[in-house]
Amino acid sequence: SAVISQKPSRDICQRGTSLTIQCQVDSQVTMMFWYRQQPGQSLTLIATANQGSEATYESGFVIDKFPISRPNLTFSTLTVSNLSPEDSSIYLCSVVGQGATEAFFGQGTRLTVV
Amino acid sequence: RKEVEQDPGPFNVPEGATVAFNCTYSNSASQSFFWYRQDCRKEPKLLMSVYSSGNEDGRFTAQLNRASQYISLLIRDSKLSDSATYLCVVNHGFKTIFGAGTRLFVKA
Repeated sequence: SAVISQKPSRDICQRGTSLTIQCQVDSQVTMMFWYRQQPGQSLTLIATANQGSEATYESGFVIDKFPISRPNLTFSTLTVSNLSPEDSSIYLCSVVGQGATEAFFGQGTRLTVV
Repeated sequence: RKEVEQDPGPFNVPEGATVAFNCTYSNSASQSFFWYRQDCRKEPKLLMSVYSSGNEDGRFTAQLNRASQYISLLIRDSKLSDSATYLCVVNHGFKTIFGAGTRLFVKA
């Protein structure tokens, strides 16, 4: 399985600011995804990060609020913009390796907005 | 209807018990199936893939019934360390869809 490094592991941010989360993989992967997991809930897919092009967002998520970059096959960032307390959640990077079907996850970023 | 539905839980069982989790999925074109385990405040980790022929890994047995669109996970001889949330996961196209998870508490 790929080794995934997600940073930061946690942060406390003021309302109205933004947080950028980084996801670095030690090998080239086919797919990279960003999920949100709110307290006591399961994972909700935010978007698929596409290499060299705009991300594909799920219903209810928009680029202005969650801009995503993926400049190459091993790195992606998710920004959560204009933060509000409702954005307090865990954000997870997920990857699927080349030729594989199973997903592996970064350690997650625990965001608290105050 | 949710794309992946699981037993609501929580399951509270004594050590040594056998416990079974069930999961159904709505899209008959789904291609791959998995069980993940998530410990509190940790990321989900792959427990095992699920095949129509069934597969076993130690105390864990997973089964897929494509006709019924049903997935199961059986844990035998439960250990305290099995306490976690178990997520039923289904791939459809390039999407990975997670069930809401079933919480398991194994008590001494």
